[in-house]
Amino acid sequence: EPEVTQTPSHQVTQMGQEVILRCVPISNHLYFYWYRQILGQKVEFLVSFYNNEISEKSEIFDDQFSVERPDGSNFTLKIRSTKLEDSAMYFCASRLEGTEAFFGQGTRLTVV
Amino acid sequence: GESVGLHLPTLSVQEGDNSIINCAYSNSASDYFIWYKQESGKGPQFIIDIRSNMDKRQGQRVTVLLNKTVKHLSLQIAATQPGDSAVYFCAGGDSWGKLQFGAGTQVVVTP
Repeated sequence: EPEVTQTPSHQVTQMGQEVILRCVPISNHLYFYWYRQILGQKVEFLVSFYNNEISEKSEIFDDQFSVERPDGSNFTLKIRSTKLEDSAMYFCASRLEGTEAFFGQGTRLTVV
Repeated sequence: GESVGLHLPTLSVQEGDNSIINCAYSNSASDYFIWYKQESGKGPQFIIDIRSNMDKRQGQRVTVLLNKTVKHLSLQIAATQPGDSAVYFCAGGDSWGKLQFGAGTQVVVTP
């Protein structure tokens, strides 16, 4: 069964460092998303991406965040200068038109 | 803006019984609603969805009910099994597929 894959599963970084979280969406999907989940809290929308551009972003997705689909298969989330409060599970998701979103297993980001 | 929230943080149910998980939403902006299941250390897993112009949809052992009058959504799980133990989230979706999640209900299935 096709699945969304995310790497790494766990990333530890020092405050102020840049991190790139990687995702390989399901191959024929058209819409791509990043969500995050702070420990014990609900899943929060960060950004949606369609046709090689951001279609919507939340207030959380400020200038420190960026997304890219560099090669037609990968979908990355970059945080330029990490803060302690960026520590969370980050989930990538993808979908076709009109169907449910499939989520990856997540990357646990720990900022120390 | 819209918020989607869950009534109960934890639901304990005996194996074999039916489970009902509830969810409320504050406005009608969502085009559809989805129930996701999240097991420890994993990403949300799709269970069932319902369009906003429907009031009931059934799947395998699961039924979702949507009451637009009172802005309420529920997930019914028939004959709950130990493998159903997880956190369940409702989410409202828009035409771009953006999902707004509720807080989650922990379902604990006891033998």
